[in-house]
Amino acid sequence: SYVLTQPPSVSVAPGQTARITCGGNNIGSKSVHWYQQKPGQAPVLVVYDDSDRPSGIPERFSGSNSGNTATLTISRVEAGDEADYYCQVWDSSSDHHVVFGGGTKLTVL
Amino acid sequence: QVQLQESGPGLVKPSQTLSLTCTVSGGSISSGSYYWSWIRQPAGKGLEWIGRIYTSGSTNYNPSLKSRVTISVDTSKNQFSLKLSSVTAADTAVYYCASTYYDILTGFYPIDYWGQGTLVTVSS
Repeated sequence: SYVLTQPPSVSVAPGQTARITCGGNNIGSKSVHWYQQKPGQAPVLVVYDDSDRPSGIPERFSGSNSGNTATLTISRVEAGDEADYYCQVWDSSSDHHVVFGGGTKLTVL
Repeated sequence: QVQLQESGPGLVKPSQTLSLTCTVSGGSISSGSYYWSWIRQPAGKGLEWIGRIYTSGSTNYNPSLKSRVTISVDTSKNQFSLKLSSVTAADTAVYYCASTYYDILTGFYPIDYWGQGTLVTVSS
C-alpha cells in the first residue's frame, strides 16, 4: 500500500514561513490534499489538488507537489495556525483507498 | 450545506461489536455523486481511513480492518452505518463520518464534509 511520510513536528516564529512536507513514491503524479486539525475539532481542508485553496482559506496557505515530495507552505504564520496538518491522497493502485500522512504538529513559537 | 452527525454508544466491551450511525442532513445520501466514509483517530495519533460506501451499496475497506468492518447505507433514513467486530482497546478512538464527491471524469475529490466525531472507548 502507498505510504505518506510527514515530519512529526515543525516549529516557526510568528510572521515567518512554515513548510510542511509530505513524502511519497512519485507523489508528484498524484493530487495531494491538506487538512488542518485543531484540538477537539474535525479536520478542515486547507489545500486541495496540490495547490488550490477552498473558499474561506487565507492566501497565506499554499501548496506544491513535484517528484517525491509535496509541500504545504504557510506564509506569515499566526498563532491561530498552530494545529496538526495531514496530507492525503487517493491510492489508485489499491482501488482508490484513502491514504493519510502521519500528521505534522505545527508549533508557533 | 451538507452536515454529518455521528451517533452510537460511547462505550463498548472488548470482543463485542462497535456500531455507529451517521445521519446526513442538508442533502440526499442518494445523490449519486458522493461516497460516504468512516475515519478514526486514536487519542494523540493520526487519521486512519476505515472504509467507504456508495449509494448503490458498493464498499471499499482498509485492508488492515477489512475482516472486521461492515459499512452499510439506509437511503430511507439518509444514514450510513459502521460495524466493527471483535473490538479491543486498540479500537478506542474518535470516529468520524465524512463525505467525498466523485466525478466520473475527474475522479475523487478531497474529503469535504466531516462529522464532529464521536469518542468510542473499548473497555470492560
